[in-house]
Amino acid sequence: GAVVSQHPSRVICKSGTSVKIECRSLDFQATTMFWYRQFPKQSLMLMATSNEGSKATYEQGVEKDKFLINHASLTLSTLTVTSAHPEDSSFYICRAPPGTSGGWDTQYFGPGTRLTVL
Amino acid sequence: AQSVTQLGSHVSVSEGALVLLRCNYSSSVPPYLFWYVQYPNQGLQLLLKYTTGATLVKGINGFEAEFKKSETSFHLTKPSAHMSDAAEYFCAVSVRGEYGNKLVFGAGTILRVKS
Repeated sequence: GAVVSQHPSRVICKSGTSVKIECRSLDFQATTMFWYRQFPKQSLMLMATSNEGSKATYEQGVEKDKFLINHASLTLSTLTVTSAHPEDSSFYICRAPPGTSGGWDTQYFGPGTRLTVL
Repeated sequence: AQSVTQLGSHVSVSEGALVLLRCNYSSSVPPYLFWYVQYPNQGLQLLLKYTTGATLVKGINGFEAEFKKSETSFHLTKPSAHMSDAAEYFCAVSVRGEYGNKLVFGAGTILRVKS
């Protein structure tokens, strides 16, 4: 069964507000979590990698101040979209591998969060 | 840098016909390759993966893929399409990163199955 949960599954917010998305590993410790964004009818693009005990690493072109990532514990990583705008509307998916290798199977992906910014 | 290219953003087949979704990769090291399926408004589901060993990999729902190093390809096939196969399919390659294995996804192919 699923070993990674993501909350909320769907959120609608007004432009200018901040939204926090949580990704939790269940029954195992995840020192790393990958955050992906999927625009409508597009592929998944890696945004950043969160690491427990250190700063997140961001992919080229992703605004660090816009997308705040905090790896709060060995089972929780959060993505906060600050001052959200309609162009931030997307499907956000996390992936929590159980170690430094592997973690490609379905259960290591969160179910996704659909963000709609009005 | 590793990357994947999926030829054809949309593929349409008749129910019962062969499904062929194309994926070519670029990698400077032996690649780990994957196919995922995504149904509307849902997350990703792993169909199959190639890491090492047998180059013909069988996955769920009757899908299989063959790793061909000489052609740098990892095409996905299914002998007989079913209506329930209609979805979007992503080919992906694993990239070794500082903190673990990243996944780089192709642009995706939407499969339509006609009755």
